[in-house]
Formats: sequence, structure tokens, C-alpha cells
Amino acid sequence: GAGVSQSPSNKVTEKGKDVELRCDPISGHTALYWYRQSLGQGLEFLIYFQGNSAPDKSGLPSDRFSAERTGGSVSTLTIQRTQQEDSAVYLCASSFLNRGETQYFGPGTRLLVL
Amino acid sequence: KNQVEQSPQSLIILEGKNCTLQCNYTVSPFSNLRWYKQDTGRGPVSLTIMTFSENTKSNGRYTATLDADTKQSSLHITASQLSDSASYICVVSAMNRDDKIIFGKGTRLHILP
Repeated sequence: GAGVSQSPSNKVTEKGKDVELRCDPISGHTALYWYRQSLGQGLEFLIYFQGNSAPDKSGLPSDRFSAERTGGSVSTLTIQRTQQEDSAVYLCASSFLNRGETQYFGPGTRLLVL
Repeated sequence: KNQVEQSPQSLIILEGKNCTLQCNYTVSPFSNLRWYKQDTGRGPVSLTIMTFSENTKSNGRYTATLDADTKQSSLHITASQLSDSASYICVVSAMNRDDKIIFGKGTRLHILP
């Protein structure tokens, strides 16, 4: 597709369940980012993938959060044993090469943990 | 510590009026500064990008300024429209080995008819 896509658009889950969020970046973009945005708050950096380099995981809030990027394209963000405070919009973005460039954001996945 | 501070936190203006949003940063060494617009329920979209040597950049009714000496940027919106209602996010990139980018918390702009 022409832009970054994310799925699902919305996810409602019960506390303690695991969830997987998917991101399809723009074709040819080597850099991929995950952010979290709580209601009315700014963007919180989670993780950054750049080509074959080791990902920057410095923003992951706990070991319940993990992310993979298979084949340098699609990425999956996994949250294990979800907590109510995990409720937020999870945004994915991609850029052509690295963090210094314009990022193109997907529409986000709205996660609600009951 | 690298920080990006935006003001005001929120702003309400009447349609047709102009407004200016502020961004102060302490990011060093500076690489570039971007303004993003985030409509409700959507991901941010880039409006402008400025490097150290640029002090103004326009995109339609949006004009961004940069003073690299005082580490301040502004986003001026002319003749506001209802569709300008959104959050405006200032993002500063650092020119270092880690290429860190720092996001401001945004200014929430409401345009009233």
C-alpha cells in the first residue's frame, strides 16, 4: 500500500491476556518505530528498528512488551499479561533510512484493557 | 538533558484568526526540527522540516520559524480553518551517534466557527 498500515484498528482485551499488534511499513523504508499515546498525552517512544542493526528497545516500559521485525518489513508488537494501564493508542511509523528523517505514521491501534 | 517544551498546552481561537504555537528545545547537537499535525484519531503527519541553516519554512497557511541561537521555533497558522483543529507536535532530532529524536507533548488547537 501507499502508507503505513496497522491492524487491528481497535482491540479490546481482558486484563492478563496477551495481545499482538501489527504494522506494515511503507515499502522500501528501512526504519520502523513504535510509539504509545495515552489519551490526551504526547507520543511515548517504545522501540526503533533500523535495517539489520540491533533494535533500540530503550523505550519499552517493561519486560511484558516486546517487538519483532521479520524480514526487515512487517513488525509485531506483543504485550503479555496486559494491564489496564496499557490502554492507549499504539502508533507505528516508518522512514526511509533512519531517525533523522520524516516519519510516516500509521493510523494506530486503539487498545482497551478491561 | 534533551527536552522539547511546547506552549501553550491548548489553544482556542475563532475561525479565520491567526495563531502562533511555540516550541523551545534543549537538544544538542541539533540536527533538525519538524512540526507534525495530528488530527483526532489519526497518526501525525509532517508539516515542515528545518535544519540549522533555515530560519523559515512555509507549507500553505503554515509557516514555521527557527532561531537556532535561542533554540526556539514557532508555527504560525494564518486564516485558521475548522480543519486546523488538531494537535501540533514539535519534534527535534539530535545529530549524534544514536540519532535520538525528542517529541514535544503537543499543543491542542481548537478552531471555533
